[in-house]
Amino acid sequence: SAVISQKPSRDICQRGTSLTIQCQVDSQVTMMFWYRQQPGQSLTLIATANQGSEATYESGFVIDKFPISRPNLTFSTLTVSNMSPEDSSIYLCSVGSGNTEAFFGQGTRLTVV
Amino acid sequence: RKEVEQDPGPFNVPEGATVAFNCTYSNSASQSFFWYRQDCRKEPKLLMSVYSSGNEDGRFTAQLNRASQYISLLIRDSKLSDSATYLCAVPKDSNYQLIWGAGTKLIIKP
Repeated sequence: SAVISQKPSRDICQRGTSLTIQCQVDSQVTMMFWYRQQPGQSLTLIATANQGSEATYESGFVIDKFPISRPNLTFSTLTVSNMSPEDSSIYLCSVGSGNTEAFFGQGTRLTVV
Repeated sequence: RKEVEQDPGPFNVPEGATVAFNCTYSNSASQSFFWYRQDCRKEPKLLMSVYSSGNEDGRFTAQLNRASQYISLLIRDSKLSDSATYLCAVPKDSNYQLIWGAGTKLIIKP
């Protein structure tokens, strides 16, 4: 199992600013995943964060908007840059492969005003 | 066709009833399947894994139908505490990434 500490748990931000979300895992993991979940919707993968290499972004998400850092095997950050109200969502980090259980951070509820 | 599709909700079910909902997947080579439960304002948590024909855990039964490419989740003797959104997840080709269904919202009424 894995325990993930994610923060902040929520924030209200002004449009045009940036917010950095942090995830700390209690064990070393190769891949970390960053998701966005709109209210009432399922999980949309933003990117996969690999230690020692650039993150891999899914279609519709770009590094300039969602820069990711992965300095070691237990930590990652996701920044939501130049925010607009459309970025209001829940952001979740996750670890685990497709063949094993996925564990999630508690989520960051972001509201952009 | 979406890679993973779930029955649209919400399902409104009286306490004590049996309820079932399905999840269809497009990748016929998938070998493992997952049902997650997500409570309101909480992160998803694993409910059941399915690696062969099915799995059973107490009141919960997951069945896999490879021919029709769907998995089902059956909840017997439903409890008020079963109210949640149930997400289906299937590994992508590479097996390190999960593809998620949109979720089925279940509401158990007293």
